Amino acid sequence: AQRVTQPEKLLSVFKGAPVELKCNYSYSGSPELFWYVQYSRQRLQLLLRHISRESIKGFTADLNKGETSFHLKKPFAQEEDSAMYYCALRGSGAGSYQLTFGKGTKLSVIP
Amino acid sequence: DTAVSQTPKYLVTQMGNDKSIKCEQNLGHDTMYWYKQDSKKFLKIMFSYNNKELIINETVPNRFSPKSPDKAHLNLHINSLELGDSAVYFCASSQGRDTYEQYFGPGTRLTVT
Repeated sequence: AQRVTQPEKLLSVFKGAPVELKCNYSYSGSPELFWYVQYSRQRLQLLLRHISRESIKGFTADLNKGETSFHLKKPFAQEEDSAMYYCALRGSGAGSYQLTFGKGTKLSVIP
Repeated sequence: DTAVSQTPKYLVTQMGNDKSIKCEQNLGHDTMYWYKQDSKKFLKIMFSYNNKELIINETVPNRFSPKSPDKAHLNLHINSLELGDSAVYFCASSQGRDTYEQYFGPGTRLTVT
């Protein structure tokens, strides 16, 4: 079974402060991890995935297999980062296309 | 040029009624999904169709029945609506069963009174 845990329901930070949204997962194989974001009144959209190892909108996330974590980080928060963030996991192997989402963390950036 | 669209955007109905939510994607994808987002923003998959074939059916009451008339459409029909069905329902699509990125619709907010 695959499970994704986002321990923080709500995270409030001041503008310019560093941000870290936590994500831990449980999966027996080699998972693929993603971060999806939902801005206010907008649809859910992919932010980044661990395979690409890229930085999107200043956000990065590193897969730590030892700690089974995929935390999302940004050095300086901006007001426009305020949104709902979901960590998601997809298992490896044929047919393992199902995305399992965490419960989400609402990020609020205070001006 | 909306990629994934859902209708209606809002749906208010009474307990016991039957309702449908429609989803259409113009991306040429062959896999479509329905998710339920509850009041606590928890997002959970309900169904997935690949080439009009049901491939995921999570533990969902059989009052919920997905129907895929073609690859571009996946509709969700709900019978005998209950208060607990109130949620936002998201449709999504992807190309292939192993594609990582899913494209989401804007959601349908269902309120059962």
